[in-house]
Amino acid sequence: SQQGEEDPQALSIQEGENATMNCSYKTSINNLQWYRQNSGRGLVHLILIRSNEREKHSGRLRVTLDTSKKSSSLLITASRAADTASYFCATDANDYKLSFGAGTTVTVRA
Amino acid sequence: KAGVTQTPRYLIKTRGQQVTLSCSPISGHRSVSWYQQTPGQGLQFLFEYFSETQRNKGNFPGRFSGRQFSNSRSEMNVSTLELGDSALYLCASSFPRTGDRGYTFGSGTRLTVV
Repeated sequence: SQQGEEDPQALSIQEGENATMNCSYKTSINNLQWYRQNSGRGLVHLILIRSNEREKHSGRLRVTLDTSKKSSSLLITASRAADTASYFCATDANDYKLSFGAGTTVTVRA
Repeated sequence: KAGVTQTPRYLIKTRGQQVTLSCSPISGHRSVSWYQQTPGQGLQFLFEYFSETQRNKGNFPGRFSGRQFSNSRSEMNVSTLELGDSALYLCASSFPRTGDRGYTFGSGTRLTVV
């Protein structure tokens, strides 16, 4: 079973706009990770935020984590056509596995 | 350095057959885990190996099994294939042990059962 939910399920934005997606989870975690997947290929690790961190930045990505609400958000700024993909959050509860959300499909229009 | 290599990329099998998928992790990575991705169930954890020992197993029937070799390469086997086993099977490796720097995934093996 999946750990939680992602919201929205799908997102369509114009190039240059920001994209925000949210993730909720159910259990205590060690860290939360975000991955990107293009057209049913392998997952690419984007960013990891530990349970004692509240915000993290990497290039055009900004991730927040609220452990009291068991939620996280991923912001992609100044989106590009190449950002078109599915984005998944995944929680690591220090049990040697990742529990994935259902994913958000992002379409960036030129 | 080379990424995670999964072979074969595509596979078509008939119901009732068995299949073996292979995964070679990034050099130096000792943890290998497997995931099944389907449109209906999403990404589901199958099992994880470290130094040839299975440390965790997902909620899958006994038809799904795996192993890891001394060089960290891993295989997973599915016996008595069912139509519902059609999926993208993804392998991931990590170092150090618990993947606290994230996992590197292979491109996957797409299995179609007919």
